[in-house]
Amino acid sequence: DAGVTQSPTHLIKTRGQQVTLRCSPKSGHDTVSWYQQALGQGPQFIFQYYEEEERQRGNFPDRFSGHQFPNYSSELNVNALLLGDSALYLCASSSDTDTQYFGPGTRLTVL
Amino acid sequence: GENVEQHPSTLSVQEGDSAVIKCTYSDSASNYFPWYKQELGKRPQLIIDIRSNVGEKKDQRIAVTLNKTAKHFSLHITETQPEDSAVYFCAASWGLTGGGNKLTFGTGTQLKVEL
Repeated sequence: DAGVTQSPTHLIKTRGQQVTLRCSPKSGHDTVSWYQQALGQGPQFIFQYYEEEERQRGNFPDRFSGHQFPNYSSELNVNALLLGDSALYLCASSSDTDTQYFGPGTRLTVL
Repeated sequence: GENVEQHPSTLSVQEGDSAVIKCTYSDSASNYFPWYKQELGKRPQLIIDIRSNVGEKKDQRIAVTLNKTAKHFSLHITETQPEDSAVYFCAASWGLTGGGNKLTFGTGTQLKVEL
């Protein structure tokens, strides 16, 4: 049984560019949440997708957008990248319970 | 919104000793409190969680206690081992029907277990 997977592992972009990160949830899970983890800090909630709709959103600008597909996988898109967007981006999946399981993350570096 | 404070930020113990990490939350509606362990460069890994209808939960060397009145919860690790060295995060959330919910994390505790 595969756990949560994310791609790519690492990504380097320049300011102003756009990036798309991908997440496949754990088998049997239908909810995907995205978090941003800056170095030395705890994960910060970006948004959560359920039934292909954004259900909750944290305090992130509209440059951050997402999508969930019928197979429950999800994408995180960030437009007009800023240096401050450099971070580890984590996705977490869950089902009927509250328990969220994290993927390995995508390390985004913005130069 | 919810705010979670975590203390201490760093904790150093001798192998075999106990370690305690404490968190407080602000939203009385929060009803789910997980703890995650994150080793350097790896994903946060759920180690134990507790719901608001339970005051204490134990799993081998790890235990979590919850005081709803005071709005704080704690992680207790007994008989610490070098492999317990990592960053530990507490989190809080209130549940939504249909599965999943927003987790608000503490700032983390760097635990170092010394030989």
